[in-house]
Amino acid sequence: DIVMTQSPDSLAVSLGETATINCKSSQTVLLNSNNLDYLAWFQQKPGQPPRLLIYWASTRESGVPDRFSGSGSGTDFSLSISSLQAEDVAVYYCHQYHTSPYTFGRGTKLEIK
Amino acid sequence: EGQLLQSGGGLIQPGGSLRLSCTASGFTPSRHDMMWVRQPPGKGLEWVSVVYGGGHITSYADSVRGRFSISRDDSKQTLSLQMSGLRVEDTAMYYCAKDRYGSIWGQGALVTVSS
Repeated sequence: DIVMTQSPDSLAVSLGETATINCKSSQTVLLNSNNLDYLAWFQQKPGQPPRLLIYWASTRESGVPDRFSGSGSGTDFSLSISSLQAEDVAVYYCHQYHTSPYTFGRGTKLEIK
Repeated sequence: EGQLLQSGGGLIQPGGSLRLSCTASGFTPSRHDMMWVRQPPGKGLEWVSVVYGGGHITSYADSVRGRFSISRDDSKQTLSLQMSGLRVEDTAMYYCAKDRYGSIWGQGALVTVSS
């Protein structure tokens, strides 16, 4: 199974600053035939289902503010949230959909400092 | 864009069976991979199963293989998860989702396995 390791487990960032969350996969999630990384990022607030932010490692989902950006390829990925706002407080998950069983990171809890 | 509406869930004794349903609107489920993901109380997300679009090929997490069965009824635009041999550790909020990258999620259905 592909293990997704997120860091840090929790993060406190000041309003207006940038938060960065890292995700490392135990095997590549890049498919050479189409040069796509099968990596997604989700935001989850209490009592709500996850919300898709980023897929194909760096494609922002429609309606997601451009403060959210994804980067990386192969096995190392990052989610950056710039100009942090109070509404960004949530748990963030990375997810690989390259190889079954598809797996999630353990989550990173983002708080305001 | 589409929506997923879930039904089912509840309290069930260990060893029991339960069926979850997920009805799609605004898109055709048969054209997409459709999956189930669960989340134990206070914990992270765990992928459960997928049925691939264009056919009925399925895949399962080791933790549920042989006990859970995913299916899709194309005439009713519905995805189902039949769960049997339920265990205490199956207690979780269960979500259905469109595409392997989870573009749309259902509201969730709580399954509690307890005696």
